[in-house]
Amino acid sequence: QVQLVESGGGVVQPGGSLRLSCAASGFSFSTSNMHWVRQAPGKGLEWVTFVRSDGKNPYYADSVKGRFTISRDNSKNMLFLQMDSLRAEDTAVFYCAKDLVWGLEYWGQGALVIVSS
Amino acid sequence: QAVVTQEPSLTVSPGGTVTLTCGSSTGAVTSGHHAYWCQQKPGQAPRTLIYDTSNKHSWTPARFSGFLLGGKAALILSGAQPEDEADYFCLLSYSVDRRVFGGGTKLTVL
Repeated sequence: QVQLVESGGGVVQPGGSLRLSCAASGFSFSTSNMHWVRQAPGKGLEWVTFVRSDGKNPYYADSVKGRFTISRDNSKNMLFLQMDSLRAEDTAVFYCAKDLVWGLEYWGQGALVIVSS
Repeated sequence: QAVVTQEPSLTVSPGGTVTLTCGSSTGAVTSGHHAYWCQQKPGQAPRTLIYDTSNKHSWTPARFSGFLLGGKAALILSGAQPEDEADYFCLLSYSVDRRVFGGGTKLTVL
């Protein structure tokens, strides 16, 4: 069955960096577009970034543009999110999700990122 | 930056019908916004219900339907069950790099 498993979350100081990973299985990852979506504690969902199956021309929400980088390794069925210059307001659960016709299909269980001194 | 608006909370009786809506600050929601709906229960990841306005996934219960209604996207639940108590989020896509979630609706089945 389809699985998306995020890892790499943790506690980081403001201004620091963290790299999230998402291991995909059970579907054709190399032909699938992918997203990262985040959810601050007790808050709603926020779309963060999207990358097409070939890894080219990624797109970002204004709130993370210039600080976050999405990438993928289709040979290993892995999706990544490099997060730099982290701020307290980036504290959230980060979900990777498979794209489906402008929406999202499968979601991972999420990785918690806490930005705090 | 567009703002997507949902009812903060709604209550429905077991077996009853309820309509959740998703509006846009930029004007009427159309099929071009490809409205998406997901359900989230406490401590769980979101689960897809509706994509591209009205399409159901294979696991979407038949009692859920997606429509455009009065300039908004709508999620209609007919025959509410206790297990439908959850948060519901809509997502509108204005462009490839501009996708905005609504604030979510907390649905109580009581």
